Amino acid sequence: QVQLVQSGAEVKKPGASMKVSCQASGYTFTHYFMHWVRQAPGQGLEWMGWINPHSGGTNYAQNFEGRVTMTRDTSISTVYMELTRLKSDDTAVYFCAREGRGPLIEGAFDIWGQGTMVIVSP
Amino acid sequence: EVVMTQSPATLSVSPGERITLSCRASQSISNNLAWYQQKPGQAPRLLIYGASTRATGIPARFSGSGSGTEFTLTISSLQSEDFAVYYCHQYSNWPRFGGGTKVEI
Repeated sequence: QVQLVQSGAEVKKPGASMKVSCQASGYTFTHYFMHWVRQAPGQGLEWMGWINPHSGGTNYAQNFEGRVTMTRDTSISTVYMELTRLKSDDTAVYFCAREGRGPLIEGAFDIWGQGTMVIVSP
Repeated sequence: EVVMTQSPATLSVSPGERITLSCRASQSISNNLAWYQQKPGQAPRLLIYGASTRATGIPARFSGSGSGTEFTLTISSLQSEDFAVYYCHQYSNWPRFGGGTKVEI
């Protein structure tokens, strides 16, 4: 079945970097854009950006420009999201989410990873 | 930047009730709107896209309507498994989510 499996929880110090992976299975990896969305504890959803797994092209939300890098490894159907210069308010669950393809659904996120908890603490 | 506003923030209801959740966009987004359901400790699940099309496997009691700036999600007869937080999401340009509506008993 179609699924996205993310890497495990992490604890980081302020100023450090984090890198979360998201491995896709059950579909053609390069045919669907992948997005990253985060959710701080008890808060709503915040879009971070997308990567085109076919070309490697990216587009980042302004809030994260300069701190985030999204990459992919097509040989293992995996995308990565790296966030640098971590602060305490980067503590959140980070989700990868596949963008749908087809009429009307293009732009919506039809498949989500299980989430990766990242805690930033001294 | 399109701002999405959901109301109410919290809705206290009973099983079997019909409920309507609202989502307003700060400018027209045509029908580029999705709704998601999120339960504690889980990832969001796509319910509705294109403002009114149910995603695969979503029960018929969920329906979406609207276009432009005003959108609604209706649950015709609330089941126990429907108690959750619901988010709207515009994808007309830079993706943006609403703040969510918590549906509680």
